[in-house]
Amino acid sequence: QVQLVESGGGVVQPGRSLRLSCAASGFTFSSYAMHWVRQVPGKGLEWVADISYDGTNKYYADSVKGRFTISRDNSKSKLYLEMNSLRADDTAAYYCAKVKYCSSSRCYELEYWGQGTLVTVSS
Amino acid sequence: AIQMTQSPSSLSASVGDRVTITCRASQGITNDLGWYQQKPGKAPKLLIYTASSLQSGVPSRFSGSGSGTDFTLTINSLQPEDFATYYCLQDYNYPWTFGQGTKVEIK
Repeated sequence: QVQLVESGGGVVQPGRSLRLSCAASGFTFSSYAMHWVRQVPGKGLEWVADISYDGTNKYYADSVKGRFTISRDNSKSKLYLEMNSLRADDTAAYYCAKVKYCSSSRCYELEYWGQGTLVTVSS
Repeated sequence: AIQMTQSPSSLSASVGDRVTITCRASQGITNDLGWYQQKPGKAPKLLIYTASSLQSGVPSRFSGSGSGTDFTLTINSLQPEDFATYYCLQDYNYPWTFGQGTKVEIK
């Protein structure tokens, strides 16, 4: 069965960096695009970034562009989110998610999600 | 960025009721929309993809419709386990955007 397990969250001071990881299993990781989505506690969902199956294409929300970097290691079935210059408004639970399917170079829907890892940016 | 406007933001309904949630896109997104259910403390769960296709394992009381800019999630015969917050998500273009959510409370 598909499993996505995030790790790396914690408390970090403003301006510092943090790297989140997502360990994938139960599917051919190297065949699927992957996404990060975040959620401020008690608030709605915000799409953060995604990466194509082979890592060549990456897209970011404007709110994180230039500060966050998504990457993957298909040999380890792992997804990463490098977060730099963290701000208080980056405080959220961060979820990794697997797309449902891709067609004609586009991918659709977030079929499987991890349990999330909480990032708290505070001095 | 495409804005997704969801309504209502919350609703209260009785078991057995029919519930309708709408999502409006700020521009046409063909049928590139999904619906997600999130229960407190849990990750979101995909219910409907490409606007009207039922995800495997999801009860048939959930259905989706719409195309272009206006979309609807319908829950027929609401069950106690349907207490949750529901979100739409457009994957027509980047950045992907969620609606603000609809909290469904059971009367």
